Amino acid sequence: DTEVTQTPKHLVMGMTNKKSLKCEQHMGHRAMYWYKQKAKKPPELMFVYSYEKLSINESVPSRFSPECPNSSLLNLHLHALQPEDSALYLCASSQDKGSSYNEQFFGPGTRLTVL
Amino acid sequence: AQSVTQLDSQVPVFEEAPVELRCNYSSSVSVYLFWYVQYPNQGLQLLLKYLSGSTLVESINGFEAEFNKSQTSFHLRKPSVHISDTAEYFCAVTLNSGNTPLVFGKGTRLSVIA
Repeated sequence: DTEVTQTPKHLVMGMTNKKSLKCEQHMGHRAMYWYKQKAKKPPELMFVYSYEKLSINESVPSRFSPECPNSSLLNLHLHALQPEDSALYLCASSQDKGSSYNEQFFGPGTRLTVL
Repeated sequence: AQSVTQLDSQVPVFEEAPVELRCNYSSSVSVYLFWYVQYPNQGLQLLLKYLSGSTLVESINGFEAEFNKSQTSFHLRKPSVHISDTAEYFCAVTLNSGNTPLVFGKGTRLSVIA
Protein backbone atom coordinates (compact mmCIF):
# COMPACT_ATOMS: atom_id res chain seq x y z
CA ASP A 1 0.00 0.00 0.00
CA THR A 2 1.73 3.16 -1.21
CA GLU A 3 -1.13 5.51 -0.70
CA VAL A 4 -2.03 8.40 1.56
CA THR A 5 -5.78 8.72 1.97
CA GLN A 6 -7.69 11.79 3.13
CA THR A 7 -11.29 12.17 4.21
CA PRO A 8 -13.54 13.87 3.47
CA LYS A 9 -12.79 14.94 -0.11
CA HIS A 10 -14.92 18.03 0.28
CA LEU A 11 -16.11 19.86 3.38
CA VAL A 12 -18.35 22.89 3.76
CA MET A 13 -18.63 24.39 7.22
CA GLY A 14 -19.87 27.49 8.96
CA MET A 15 -17.69 29.73 11.07
CA THR A 16 -19.16 28.35 14.30
CA ASN A 17 -18.79 24.68 13.38
CA LYS A 18 -16.26 22.16 14.65
CA LYS A 19 -15.02 19.63 12.13
CA SER A 20 -12.01 17.36 11.60
CA LEU A 21 -9.93 16.32 8.62
CA LYS A 22 -8.43 12.85 8.60
CA CYS A 23 -5.31 11.47 6.95
CA GLU A 24 -4.15 7.87 6.95
CA GLN A 25 -1.15 5.95 5.61
CA HIS A 26 -0.05 2.34 5.97
CA MET A 27 3.47 2.62 4.56
CA GLY A 28 5.12 2.54 7.95
CA HIS A 29 6.08 6.19 7.67
CA ARG A 30 6.90 7.97 10.92
CA ALA A 31 6.71 11.57 9.68
CA MET A 32 3.43 13.20 8.66
CA TYR A 33 2.68 16.68 7.39
CA TRP A 34 -0.20 19.11 6.90
CA TYR A 35 -0.03 21.65 4.07
CA LYS A 36 -2.52 24.37 3.11
CA GLN A 37 -2.91 25.31 -0.54
CA LYS A 38 -4.90 28.34 -1.61
CA ALA A 39 -6.16 28.56 -5.19
CA LYS A 40 -3.40 29.13 -7.74
CA LYS A 41 -0.75 29.12 -5.00
CA PRO A 42 1.88 26.58 -3.90
CA PRO A 43 1.35 24.41 -0.81
CA GLU A 44 2.40 26.00 2.46
CA LEU A 45 3.60 23.87 5.34
CA MET A 46 1.46 24.01 8.49
CA PHE A 47 2.62 21.18 10.79
CA VAL A 48 5.08 18.29 10.89
CA TYR A 49 4.81 15.27 13.17
CA SER A 50 7.76 12.98 13.74
CA TYR A 51 7.17 9.76 15.67
CA GLU A 52 3.76 11.06 16.77
CA LYS A 53 5.28 14.21 18.26
CA LEU A 54 4.74 17.69 16.85
CA SER A 55 8.11 18.84 15.54
CA ILE A 56 7.19 21.87 13.43
CA ASN A 57 4.34 24.37 13.79
CA GLU A 58 4.64 27.14 11.23
CA SER A 59 2.91 29.73 13.43
CA VAL A 60 -0.51 28.38 12.52
CA PRO A 61 -3.52 29.99 14.28
CA SER A 62 -4.93 28.00 17.18
CA ARG A 63 -8.23 27.48 15.37
CA PHE A 64 -6.30 24.68 13.61
CA SER A 65 -5.40 21.89 16.02
CA PRO A 66 -3.39 18.89 14.77
CA GLU A 67 -3.41 15.49 16.38
CA CYS A 68 -1.41 12.35 15.70
CA PRO A 69 -3.05 9.53 17.69
CA ASN A 70 -0.82 6.84 16.18
CA SER A 71 1.83 6.41 13.53
CA SER A 72 -0.72 5.79 10.75
CA LEU A 73 -3.19 8.54 11.46
CA LEU A 74 -3.09 12.33 11.39
CA ASN A 75 -6.04 14.58 12.17
CA LEU A 76 -6.62 18.29 11.79
CA HIS A 77 -9.32 19.65 14.08
CA LEU A 78 -11.02 22.82 12.91
CA HIS A 79 -12.92 25.29 15.07
CA ALA A 80 -14.15 28.85 14.52
CA LEU A 81 -12.61 29.10 11.08
CA GLN A 82 -12.78 32.16 8.86
CA PRO A 83 -13.78 32.33 5.18
CA GLU A 84 -10.13 33.00 4.28
CA ASP A 85 -9.28 29.55 5.62
CA SER A 86 -11.03 28.04 2.62
CA ALA A 87 -8.37 26.05 0.76
CA LEU A 88 -7.17 22.61 -0.25
CA TYR A 89 -5.62 20.86 2.76
CA LEU A 90 -2.98 18.34 1.81
CA CYS A 91 -1.54 15.62 3.98
CA ALA A 92 1.80 13.97 3.30
CA SER A 93 3.93 11.29 4.90
CA SER A 94 7.53 10.15 4.72
CA GLN A 95 9.95 7.87 6.43
CA ASP A 96 12.02 9.45 9.16
CA LYS A 97 15.61 8.33 8.65
CA GLY A 98 17.51 11.15 10.25
CA SER A 99 20.08 12.35 7.79
CA SER A 100 18.77 10.41 4.76
CA TYR A 101 16.48 11.78 2.09
CA ASN A 102 12.84 11.00 2.85
CA GLU A 103 10.43 11.31 -0.07
CA GLN A 104 7.09 12.83 0.84
CA PHE A 105 3.97 11.09 -0.46
CA PHE A 106 0.94 13.34 -0.79
CA GLY A 107 -2.73 12.55 -0.36
CA PRO A 108 -5.40 13.91 -2.75
CA GLY A 109 -6.42 16.63 -0.31
CA THR A 110 -9.60 17.87 1.35
CA ARG A 111 -11.19 20.89 -0.28
CA LEU A 112 -12.54 23.04 2.55
CA THR A 113 -15.05 25.85 2.13
CA VAL A 114 -15.85 28.07 5.10
CA LEU A 115 -19.07 30.05 4.82
CA ALA B 1 17.03 29.76 4.06
CA GLN B 2 16.19 28.19 0.74
CA SER B 3 13.95 29.72 -1.89
CA VAL B 4 12.64 28.73 -5.31
CA THR B 5 11.75 30.95 -8.24
CA GLN B 6 9.62 29.73 -11.11
CA LEU B 7 9.96 32.41 -13.71
CA ASP B 8 6.80 31.66 -15.69
CA SER B 9 3.37 31.54 -14.10
CA GLN B 10 1.72 30.27 -17.28
CA VAL B 11 3.11 28.47 -20.31
CA PRO B 12 0.78 27.74 -23.25
CA VAL B 13 2.18 25.35 -25.85
CA PHE B 14 0.78 23.45 -28.81
CA GLU B 15 0.48 19.69 -28.69
CA GLU B 16 3.63 17.83 -29.82
CA ALA B 17 5.76 20.96 -29.36
CA PRO B 18 8.70 21.01 -26.92
CA VAL B 19 8.42 22.80 -23.60
CA GLU B 20 10.76 24.08 -20.90
CA LEU B 21 9.57 25.13 -17.44
CA ARG B 22 12.17 27.16 -15.63
CA CYS B 23 13.19 26.84 -11.99
CA ASN B 24 15.96 28.61 -10.10
CA TYR B 25 16.80 28.07 -6.47
CA SER B 26 18.74 29.87 -3.79
CA SER B 27 20.54 28.14 -0.94
CA SER B 28 23.82 28.50 0.91
CA VAL B 29 24.08 24.74 1.48
CA SER B 30 23.50 21.61 -0.58
CA VAL B 31 19.92 20.83 -1.46
CA TYR B 32 17.69 18.22 -3.03
CA LEU B 33 15.50 19.38 -5.93
CA PHE B 34 12.10 18.17 -7.08
CA TRP B 35 9.41 18.70 -9.65
CA TYR B 36 5.84 17.94 -8.60
CA VAL B 37 2.79 17.88 -10.88
CA GLN B 38 -0.76 18.68 -9.80
CA TYR B 39 -3.60 17.77 -12.14
CA PRO B 40 -6.89 19.64 -11.72
CA ASN B 41 -8.64 18.85 -8.43
CA GLN B 42 -5.94 16.42 -7.36
CA GLY B 43 -3.04 16.27 -4.90
CA LEU B 44 0.65 16.49 -5.71
CA GLN B 45 2.56 13.78 -7.52
CA LEU B 46 6.33 13.59 -7.58
CA LEU B 47 7.49 13.85 -11.19
CA LEU B 48 11.25 13.60 -10.69
CA LYS B 49 13.97 14.40 -8.22
CA TYR B 50 17.66 15.23 -8.05
CA LEU B 51 19.48 13.92 -4.99
CA SER B 52 23.02 13.32 -6.21
CA GLY B 53 24.95 11.71 -9.05
CA SER B 54 23.98 12.34 -12.67
CA THR B 55 22.76 15.88 -13.15
CA LEU B 56 20.18 14.77 -15.73
CA VAL B 57 17.15 13.04 -14.27
CA GLU B 58 14.24 11.57 -16.16
CA SER B 59 10.64 10.64 -15.42
CA ILE B 60 8.70 7.71 -16.82
CA ASN B 61 6.42 9.94 -18.92
CA GLY B 62 9.09 11.70 -20.97
CA PHE B 63 9.99 14.68 -18.78
CA GLU B 64 13.57 15.39 -17.83
CA ALA B 65 15.32 17.99 -15.70
CA GLU B 66 18.93 19.00 -15.44
CA PHE B 67 20.61 20.21 -12.27
CA ASN B 68 22.99 23.05 -13.01
CA LYS B 69 24.89 24.03 -9.89
CA SER B 70 26.69 27.02 -11.40
CA GLN B 71 23.42 28.54 -12.59
CA THR B 72 21.44 27.25 -9.57
CA SER B 73 18.80 25.95 -11.93
CA PHE B 74 16.68 22.83 -12.33
CA HIS B 75 14.67 23.40 -15.51
CA LEU B 76 12.06 20.86 -16.61
CA ARG B 77 11.84 19.86 -20.26
CA LYS B 78 9.80 17.62 -22.53
CA PRO B 79 10.51 17.26 -26.25
CA SER B 80 6.88 16.67 -27.25
CA VAL B 81 3.92 17.46 -24.99
CA HIS B 82 0.47 15.86 -24.93
CA ILE B 83 -2.91 17.27 -23.98
CA SER B 84 -2.74 15.12 -20.84
CA ASP B 85 0.32 17.08 -19.65
CA THR B 86 -1.92 20.07 -18.92
CA ALA B 87 -1.41 20.67 -15.19
CA GLU B 88 0.27 22.84 -12.58
CA TYR B 89 3.97 22.12 -12.11
CA PHE B 90 5.79 23.00 -8.89
CA CYS B 91 9.52 23.08 -8.38
CA ALA B 92 10.60 22.41 -4.79
CA VAL B 93 13.77 22.28 -2.72
CA THR B 94 14.77 20.84 0.61
CA LEU B 95 18.01 20.64 2.55
CA ASN B 96 19.85 17.37 2.01
CA SER B 97 19.56 16.27 5.61
CA GLY B 98 16.72 14.69 7.51
CA ASN B 99 13.10 15.71 7.41
CA THR B 100 13.51 19.35 6.48
CA PRO B 101 10.32 20.71 4.94
CA LEU B 102 9.82 21.21 1.22
CA VAL B 103 9.92 24.79 -0.04
CA PHE B 104 7.85 25.22 -3.18
CA GLY B 105 8.01 27.68 -6.02
CA LYS B 106 4.84 29.51 -7.02
CA GLY B 107 4.04 27.03 -9.75
CA THR B 108 3.79 27.11 -13.54
CA ARG B 109 0.53 26.37 -15.27
CA LEU B 110 1.25 24.33 -18.41
CA SER B 111 -1.62 24.49 -20.90
CA VAL B 112 -1.32 22.21 -23.92
CA ILE B 113 -3.37 23.37 -26.89
CA ALA B 114 -4.69 20.94 -29.50
